[in-house]
Amino acid sequence: AIQMTQSPSSLSASVGDRVTITCRASQAIRNDLDWYQQKPGKAPKLLIYAASSLQSGVPSRFSGSGSGTDFTLTISSLQPEDFATYYCLQDYNYPRTFGQGTKVEIK
Amino acid sequence: EVQLVESGGGLVQPEGSLRLSCAASGFSLTRYWMSWVRQAPGKELEWVANIRQDGSEKYYVDSVKGRFFISRDNARNSLYLQMYNLRGEDTAVYYCAREDTHYDSSGANKYHLDYWGQGTLVTVSS
Repeated sequence: AIQMTQSPSSLSASVGDRVTITCRASQAIRNDLDWYQQKPGKAPKLLIYAASSLQSGVPSRFSGSGSGTDFTLTISSLQPEDFATYYCLQDYNYPRTFGQGTKVEIK
Repeated sequence: EVQLVESGGGLVQPEGSLRLSCAASGFSLTRYWMSWVRQAPGKELEWVANIRQDGSEKYYVDSVKGRFFISRDNARNSLYLQMYNLRGEDTAVYYCAREDTHYDSSGANKYHLDYWGQGTLVTVSS
């Protein structure tokens, strides 16, 4: 199975900060990568699919980039509602695999 | 409005069985692949299984192969996960999720999980 490694595991940031989260695949996965946001006690929410396509209804401060093995999720200006855990998911092959998550906390 | 509502979770003894259901509304299940994803308490998300629109293809994570079986009833707009020989490590919140389609550069179908249910908790303990 493809291993997905996110970094950092957690970060502290302030409202208005630019935040970047990285996801690295153990083998090349083209651009078959999605990003999800999860708040405590809630279901995950799709933010980005195909590495860089913004899901309908998601604010434009979220963006994704990368292909092959290295991917990034960027939040251009962190808002209070963005404090959550973020996961990457590869859908290049089966079994699909998630990263271990990055928790974004308030500084 | 698209809605997915899971049910069937609960407390079950090790080696026991449980059947989860996911009721879909606001869209036609026949058009979509569907997935189950789980999350152990305090842990990361884990994709469990998915099923093609007509049920002809199914995929599983290795840890559940031969113990979990995904199925669907499009007429009832419902998705199921039958779980046998449950273990402590199967304790988790189980989510069903819809797979929407996009196309890669070669025109091949690719999928992303665009709608999720609220989850149902399965606890395996004696």
